[in-house]
This record gives sequence, C-alpha cells and structure tokens, in this order.
Amino acid sequence: NAGVTQTPKFQVLKTGQSMTLQCAQDMNHEYMSWYRQDPGMGLRLIHYSVGAGITDQGEVPNGYNVSRSTTEDFPLRLLSAAPSQTSVYFCASRQNTGELFFGEGSRLTVL
Amino acid sequence: DAKTTQPTSMDCAEGRAANLPCNHSTISGNEYVYWYRQIHSQGPQYIIHGLKNNETNEMASLIITEDRKSSTLILPHATLRDTAVYYCIVGPARRSWGKLQFGAGTQVVVTP
Repeated sequence: NAGVTQTPKFQVLKTGQSMTLQCAQDMNHEYMSWYRQDPGMGLRLIHYSVGAGITDQGEVPNGYNVSRSTTEDFPLRLLSAAPSQTSVYFCASRQNTGELFFGEGSRLTVL
Repeated sequence: DAKTTQPTSMDCAEGRAANLPCNHSTISGNEYVYWYRQIHSQGPQYIIHGLKNNETNEMASLIITEDRKSSTLILPHATLRDTAVYYCIVGPARRSWGKLQFGAGTQVVVTP
C-alpha cells in the first residue's frame, strides 16, 4: 500500500515564488491535514479537511491555501513564499478510528 | 481543544521499561488520548490511543487515570530503535473531526 504520498520531497524557492505541495492518499480517508515542523519544534496544524469540498484553518494558516476537490488529494499552495515558510511539511490522513497516517515529509527552503 | 504537558526529555536503558507521562487536565469527556512518535525526521508514527480504559497493542501499553487527567505510555522493553520524540495529544471523538494539535513532545533516548 502506498499510504500517504507527498511530492516533492525537497524544494528550494526564492522569496515571492509560488508552488504547490502535493499530497495523495489511497486509503479512502475523509480527513486530511497539513502540518509544518520547524527545527526542534513539534508539528503545527496549517489546514485540514473533513471531506471533499470542505476545508478549515488550523493554528498557522496564513500564507497557505488549500482545496479538496477529491477524496484522494489535498494540495497545499504557497502563493508568495517567504523565508519564514522554510520548514518541513507533513501531510496526514485520518481513518475513522482516529489514527493519523503521515507522509514522509516535504522539505522546503525559501531563500 | 485540550492541551497536553509532557517532560521535555528522558533517558531509558535498553531492555528496561520506559514510562512516558502526559498531563491533559482539561480533556473533555468525548476526547481520546493519542500517542505518536517521530524517529529522526521521518513522519510521525501512530502508537496507540484510548478513551477511558487501559489499552495494549504490540508496540506499547496506555494507562489512563480514572479521572482522565493524565496518562502514561509504557514501552515494555525499550530498544535503541525506540529513540524518538513521543507526542501525547488529545483529540475529538471519532465522528467529530476537528483540529488535532501536537505539542513539543518528549525526546526519549534509549542507551545501551
């Protein structure tokens, strides 16, 4: 099983550039979410979705957009990247019994 | 959403039991306690969760106090591969999806 797949694994951007981090899951989970993790810190929730067409903000949503057009995909968009968005990004999906399944992470550097 | 408090770090000898405490004094009646761990820079891995009763699986045991204000994760025979950051979080009931927020966790180092 592929589980939760994130692409790209590594990305370097210049300030002001835009990009999309992709996340796909093949477990038919309704709930998906994006976290960011800065060095030495825990995970902070950016956005989450409880099903196709439904999204909501987490702790640190500013500077990020999401959409959920299908159950499988939950892309995270950075419209104008800033150095403060340098981080490791994790996508997760959640099954009905509550457990989160995480992707391997996407490491983003904004210069 | 309830918050949790965990020690910043703890050491454990290989082969011994590791007992990881977590305080969640503001937990709501319908919130579960979840434990995850993160090895190096990998994505967090689910360990166990519970509501009121103690739980056990192949990885660990979860002991929840009767008042549900604290819990302990027990790794019965710690190995070097158990060195990781362990996160205790509380989250909504199964059919009430919402924010599942992580704190800083406990850095566990298992030594030979």
